[in-house]
Amino acid sequence: DVVMTQSPLSLPVTLGQPASISCRSSQSLVYSDGNTYLNWFQQRPGQSPGRLIYKVSNRDSGVPDRFSGSGSGTDFTLKISRVEAEDVGVYYCMQGTHWPRTFGQGTKLEI
Amino acid sequence: EVQLVESGGGLVQPGGSLRISCAASGFAFRSHMMHWVRQAPGKGLVWVSHITTYGSETAYADSVKGRFTISRDDARNTLYLQMNSLRAEDSAVYFCTKDDYGSFDYWGQGTLVTVSS
Repeated sequence: DVVMTQSPLSLPVTLGQPASISCRSSQSLVYSDGNTYLNWFQQRPGQSPGRLIYKVSNRDSGVPDRFSGSGSGTDFTLKISRVEAEDVGVYYCMQGTHWPRTFGQGTKLEI
Repeated sequence: EVQLVESGGGLVQPGGSLRISCAASGFAFRSHMMHWVRQAPGKGLVWVSHITTYGSETAYADSVKGRFTISRDDARNTLYLQMNSLRAEDSAVYFCTKDDYGSFDYWGQGTLVTVSS
């Protein structure tokens, strides 16, 4: 199985400051169709996960533009340009290139 | 509006069985692969199983293979997970998710399964 490794696992941040989460995969996530199926999900306290980013850098509808995704191959990053209080929660990367689908351990973002 | 509503969770003894369901609406259910993902208390997300359109193919995580069975009823827009020989380590919130080709674009609110004597 592809192992997804996130860092840091805990991310204390200050409101209005940037934040960055790293996600590394044990194998390349480039699929045979040329796409890279790397996703980011946000799970707010007490809620189910919601998708933020798909195919490395595509924001879902309604996701604020302070969230951005980047990376290639095996190395990916989620950035929040200016953290707001509503961003508190756990962030997961997930690869959708290989079976079975696998998630990172999660990064807990706290103010 | 896409909605996924899980139900059927509860307390079950080790070795027991439970069937959980996911009622889907707001999209063409029969045209989409569907998944179950679980989250043990205080832990991360783990993919459990998927079923392709028409139920033609299924797949399972090694930890549940041979014990869990995923199925779908396209006439009822409902996804199921039959869980047998339950163990304490199966205790988790179970989410159903809609496949979006390499991603999961919609998630239900989850149903809690607790395996304990």
